Amino acid sequence: GDSVTQMEGPVTLSEEAFLTINCTYTATGYPSLFWYVQYPGEGLQLLLKATKADDKGSNKGFEATYRKETTSFHLEKGSVQVSDSAVYFCALISGGSNYKLTFGKGTLLTVNP
Amino acid sequence: KAGVTQTPRYLIKTRGQQVTLSCSPISGHRSVSWYQQTPGQGLQFLFEYFSETQRNKGNFPGRFSGRQFSNSRSEMNVSTLELGDSALYLCASNRPAGTGELFFGEGSRLTVL
Repeated sequence: GDSVTQMEGPVTLSEEAFLTINCTYTATGYPSLFWYVQYPGEGLQLLLKATKADDKGSNKGFEATYRKETTSFHLEKGSVQVSDSAVYFCALISGGSNYKLTFGKGTLLTVNP
Repeated sequence: KAGVTQTPRYLIKTRGQQVTLSCSPISGHRSVSWYQQTPGQGLQFLFEYFSETQRNKGNFPGRFSGRQFSNSRSEMNVSTLELGDSALYLCASNRPAGTGELFFGEGSRLTVL
């Protein structure tokens, strides 16, 4: 079945540091890939997505590139802010479904001033 | 535009009781899906409804059930509660012909004592 593996947290960084959160996946066919973010006390919200190989999703300074050859979708940001502190989830949809997301375990990011 | 609304936000039950959670999707969204979030298992898909029909169900026991009404509002029910059912239950709606972007509510946090 489908699965998503992302780096275990927690990750603690200083403000303006570079962020990478690794994500790899296993899926049948050609999945769409997503990063969702969950701020404290809130539900999940979509951060960015990519629907085919070599696509780059970007939003709020975050980027991720869909790498089919390495089955990866790593999240990066060049300069993190305190307000980026949250849990980040890598996820995929495959098999023609547009509603059943398979999530990674989540990575807690804490950014200190 | 109002987001996905879930009620109640917090509730405490005892083992053996049952609980009903409610979800109102974004206006115009006809698909509603439910996820369970726990520290150990992460985010797991429960089921999805479209036009009052359950289209898919995750790997949960029959104690977990749901339904959708003609106005797209959805409810999920858990009977004979167990300690392990303590979790954050997230509802998400999906716009018509969506590309996998789910819009999540803030969740209902269930504690089973």
